[in-house]
Amino acid sequence: GQSLEQPSEVTAVEGAIVQINCTYQTSGFYGLSWYQQHDGGAPTFLSYNALDGLEETGRFSSFLSRSDSYGYLLLQELQMKDSASYFCAVLNQGGKLIFGQGTELSVKP
Amino acid sequence: DAEITQSPRHKITETGRQVTLACHQTWNHNNMFWYRQDLGHGLRLIHYSYGVQDTNKGEVSDGYSVSRSNTEDLPLTLESAASSQTSVYFCASSERTSGAYEQYFGPGTRLTVT
Repeated sequence: GQSLEQPSEVTAVEGAIVQINCTYQTSGFYGLSWYQQHDGGAPTFLSYNALDGLEETGRFSSFLSRSDSYGYLLLQELQMKDSASYFCAVLNQGGKLIFGQGTELSVKP
Repeated sequence: DAEITQSPRHKITETGRQVTLACHQTWNHNNMFWYRQDLGHGLRLIHYSYGVQDTNKGEVSDGYSVSRSNTEDLPLTLESAASSQTSVYFCASSERTSGAYEQYFGPGTRLTVT
């Protein structure tokens, strides 16, 4: 089977750095995507890692270790608007995304 | 601008009724997907399509069907609505291969089955 695990909730203060971890078990792994969802709205794509290492996109970075079946999303210089749910998702060889259950990030002033 | 739309945005129906949720995209994407989202379960794949006349079952397909007669539309039908199908439904699309990891989501349809 396929499964992903990520923390259900994370809290951080404005201006801080937060890391959201994701571990996965899957067959036919192609890569790991991250999505953001505000208040039950449409999920939006943040980043994708196909190879080991760190990908940086502005304040957000994503890391992947294929040998450890592990990845994380790093959010720097947190802003109140970053309060949202964050989902990791495995892209498998069938071209499908398998989503984790999501991490709700609360940013406090 | 290209977009993906869903209708209706909210729907209340009775147990046993047939319901169809519409999804329309103007990205000209080959791949289209239907998910349901429930508290504690994230996004679960219901059905997906890789092109016209192609449909496939996802992990929670029982009680649902789809058809793909053109590139732009993938309607989702609940054959006989059940209370367990009360959920938020999202449609998404992506490019066939190179962009499969990046899906574009519609705004969602909140369905209540009473």
